[in-house]
Amino acid sequence: EDQVTQSPEALRLQEGESSSLNCSYTVSGLRGLFWYRQDPGKGPEFLFTLYSAGEEKEKERLKATLTKKESFLHITAPKPEDSATYLCAVQVSQGAQKLVFGQGTRLTINP
Amino acid sequence: KAGVTQTPRYLIKTRGQQVTLSCSPISGHRSVSWYQQTPGQGLQFLFEYFSETQRNKGNFPGRFSGRQFSNSRSEMNVSTLELGDSALYLCASSSRDSRFGYTFGSGTRLTVV
Repeated sequence: EDQVTQSPEALRLQEGESSSLNCSYTVSGLRGLFWYRQDPGKGPEFLFTLYSAGEEKEKERLKATLTKKESFLHITAPKPEDSATYLCAVQVSQGAQKLVFGQGTRLTINP
Repeated sequence: KAGVTQTPRYLIKTRGQQVTLSCSPISGHRSVSWYQQTPGQGLQFLFEYFSETQRNKGNFPGRFSGRQFSNSRSEMNVSTLELGDSALYLCASSSRDSRFGYTFGSGTRLTVV
């Protein structure tokens, strides 16, 4: 069964304190790995798509990397506005728009 | 351009009733998928439609159904509501190229009492 596990469940950092979020997956065939950000009361907001091991994507203070078994979301010098729940999801079937999500990491950045 | 629009935003229903939720995808997007989000189970896939055809279905009972119209707008229906159906229902649309991700709406918050 396809499975996505995110750790930690919750993370509290001081402003400027860099860290990483982990997403490990066990799937029959990875077609793509997605990172989303979700604010309370809103739908997930797309951040990155990664397709193959070794791939990296960057956006402002965020950088996503992918290996054969896991993905990391690195947050460099975070600001309070980076506080949100970060979701990882995998697409396991070519052409089938079905995502399997992890439970998310709730990130809080204290000023 | 306009994002994914879901209506209504909030809904309160009584056990045993039925409910219909609506989703208007981004213009040009032909794939619409639905997800249920709860604190305990997280985001779970319900079903996906493409060109008015259901292509995939998740592990939900037959009380959950959906359809897609020729203009790509989609509706999902839940019959005989149960307390456990209380959740945030999210719709996502995508183009053929998934590199740009799946764009989610703000969701419909359904409360069953």
